[in-house]
Amino acid sequence: AQSVTQLGSHVSVSEGALVLLRCNYSSSVPPYLFWYVQYPNQGLQLLLKYTTGATLVKGINGFEAEFKKSETSFHLTKPSAHMSDAAEYFCAVSERNNNDMRFGAGTRLTVKP
Amino acid sequence: GAVVSQHPSRVICKSGTSVKIECRSLDFQATTMFWYRQFPKQSLMLMATSNEGSKATYEQGVEKDKFLINHASLTLSTLTVTSAHPEDSSFYICSAGSTTEAFFGQGTRLTVV
Repeated sequence: AQSVTQLGSHVSVSEGALVLLRCNYSSSVPPYLFWYVQYPNQGLQLLLKYTTGATLVKGINGFEAEFKKSETSFHLTKPSAHMSDAAEYFCAVSERNNNDMRFGAGTRLTVKP
Repeated sequence: GAVVSQHPSRVICKSGTSVKIECRSLDFQATTMFWYRQFPKQSLMLMATSNEGSKATYEQGVEKDKFLINHASLTLSTLTVTSAHPEDSSFYICSAGSTTEAFFGQGTRLTVV
C-alpha cells in the first residue's frame, strides 16, 4: 500500500524567507501526489496535485512542488513566506484506479514577522 | 470546484449517547466517500470507505459496530458514532471525489463529555 513521510513536524521561517516542506512517498505503482493546507478547525484545501505530465506543479497562493521519481519525493516550496501561510500542511498519495488516499503526519508551518 | 458539505461542524454529546454526522456532495454524485479521523496535532487517518448501496469497508482496527456508516444515496453518507465515550472525541472529516482530486468536508469536531 502507498504511504507518505513528511520530514519535520514543525517548520519555522521568517516572513519573506523560502518555505520548503519535505515529502517522500512510497508506492508500488505511479502515484498521484497532493499537498493540502489545513487551518485550525477546518477541512482541507487542495494546494496542488501531480497526476501526470509536467513534474513541476504550480498551485495556489504561490506554492509549487516538483515530482522527482528518482528520489520518490514531492517537496513543497514557496519563494517568499507570508504570515497568512501559517497553517498545517499535509502531503498525500493515492494510486491510480484507487480512491484510497493516504496522508503524511503533517508539518506545521510557523511564519515569524 | 465540487463541494462537499459536512454537518454538524461541532457537536457535544454525553457519554453513552450516539451522534450522527452527515456528509453530502452538493454538485456531483459520489459512489464512494471516505471518512477520516484526526486527533489533535496529528494526521488524518482513514477510518472507512463508504460505498453507495453496499456495506462500508473499514480499515484495520476500526470498530464497525461502533462507527456505523450508511451511504444510502449518491449524495449522502452518514457516520454514526454509537455509545460515544470521551476517547471518541476527535475531528472527523469526510471526502468524496476521484483518484485525481478529493474534496473534503469542513469537518466535525466531536466532544464527548
